[in-house]
Amino acid sequence: SYEVAQPPSVSVSPGQTARITCSGDALPKKFAYWYQQKPGQAPVLVIDEDSKRPSGIPERFSGSSSGTMATLIISGAQVEDEADYYCCSKDSSGNHWVFGGGTKLTVL
Amino acid sequence: EVQLVQSGAEVKKPGESLKISCKGSGYSFSNYWITWVRQMPGKGLEWMGIIYPGDSDTTYSPSFQGQVSISADKSINTAYLQWSSLKASDIGMYYCARLSLVSDGFDIWGQGTMVTVSS
Repeated sequence: SYEVAQPPSVSVSPGQTARITCSGDALPKKFAYWYQQKPGQAPVLVIDEDSKRPSGIPERFSGSSSGTMATLIISGAQVEDEADYYCCSKDSSGNHWVFGGGTKLTVL
Repeated sequence: EVQLVQSGAEVKKPGESLKISCKGSGYSFSNYWITWVRQMPGKGLEWMGIIYPGDSDTTYSPSFQGQVSISADKSINTAYLQWSSLKASDIGMYYCARLSLVSDGFDIWGQGTMVTVSS
């Protein structure tokens, strides 16, 4: 079955740029979506279709994708950005979604 | 306000049946796909399946096919996730979410329903 891989953790200091990667064989043809989940809360879509920022998401969140890898970029990470981040894409059939295992972002 | 409101936490015994709900408001419920996502304690998100309330067209993840049933009643703007016989391994938080009309992203999420299965 299709899998999407993410690093388990990423750590940065406040104000630095955080980069969280996501790899999957379908990504050259399928978009990546990024979700932020803070403890005790439901996930929130922070990046749509590789690089689009939904309304209300701070400008420091951006995304890119090349080949089999997508990247979530948080420029000037803030303490409040500490959360789990999940990459999600459809598989090559286009009928199923798959989440990556999640990356815990620490900002301190 | 566009929102999805899920039913409350459940505590069940192995072998019991369960149906949890997800009620949409503030938008045309019939015209947006609704998905279900599982999160086991301390673990990541798992996509379970998706339904179009307009005609109940449903697709399941291979991992959850035959394990759960997804349904919807468009007359009351509600989607459901159902188990016929719960197992201890069904413990977790279950989220419903709305699929965007313009992309394959899930743009609105319910608050989650915690399901505990214990003898």
